[in-house]
Amino acid sequence: DIQMTQSPSSLSASVGDRVTITCRASQSISSYLNWYQQKPGKAPTLLIYVASSLQSGVPSRFSGSGSGTDFTLTVSSLQPEDFATYYCQQSFNTPFTFGGGTKVEIK
Amino acid sequence: QVQLQQSGPGLVKPSQTLSLTCAISGDSVSRNSAAWIWIRQSPSRGLEWLGRTYYKSKWYNDYAVSVKSRITINPDTSKNQFSLQLNSVTPEDTAVYYCARLSMIRGGYGMDVWGQGTTVTVSS
Repeated sequence: DIQMTQSPSSLSASVGDRVTITCRASQSISSYLNWYQQKPGKAPTLLIYVASSLQSGVPSRFSGSGSGTDFTLTVSSLQPEDFATYYCQQSFNTPFTFGGGTKVEIK
Repeated sequence: QVQLQQSGPGLVKPSQTLSLTCAISGDSVSRNSAAWIWIRQSPSRGLEWLGRTYYKSKWYNDYAVSVKSRITINPDTSKNQFSLQLNSVTPEDTAVYYCARLSMIRGGYGMDVWGQGTTVTVSS
């Protein structure tokens, strides 16, 4: 199975901050990398697919980049509704494995 | 708007079978360009892909190695739903279980619609 490693596992930030989360795959996955947001008690929601494409309805302050093994999710100006846990997930090979998550908390 | 509605018991006894159903509205379980998956989430294992079922001229399934000997995911075209059965459960199977739609998006795959989640506890 492809292992996905996210960093950091948690971070504290303020409204308006620029936040970057990284995800590394244990082997090359081309651009087959998705990002999800999960709020407490809710199912994850798809934010970004194939590394950099914004899912319909997702605010443009979210962006993704990377290819091969290294990827980033950036929130350009953190909003109150963005405090959540973020997961990367590879769709290169089944099982489509997830990273361990990054919890974004209010500073 | 596509929606997935999960149903099934929240408490299962050890060694018994966990059974959950995911009813689909706004899409078809038989659509060629989608797959229907089960995922679970627990503090110890994080988000864990369990398996999928999909139709491409015939039905296919694939399962995670960790549960392959115990899992069955079945489509039900008459009710437009799909199900999860996990046999011989232990307390380690305690988790929140999600169904989701896996769509092909620009050559990749993403889980773009999710069920509401079912908390399943394995305990006597």
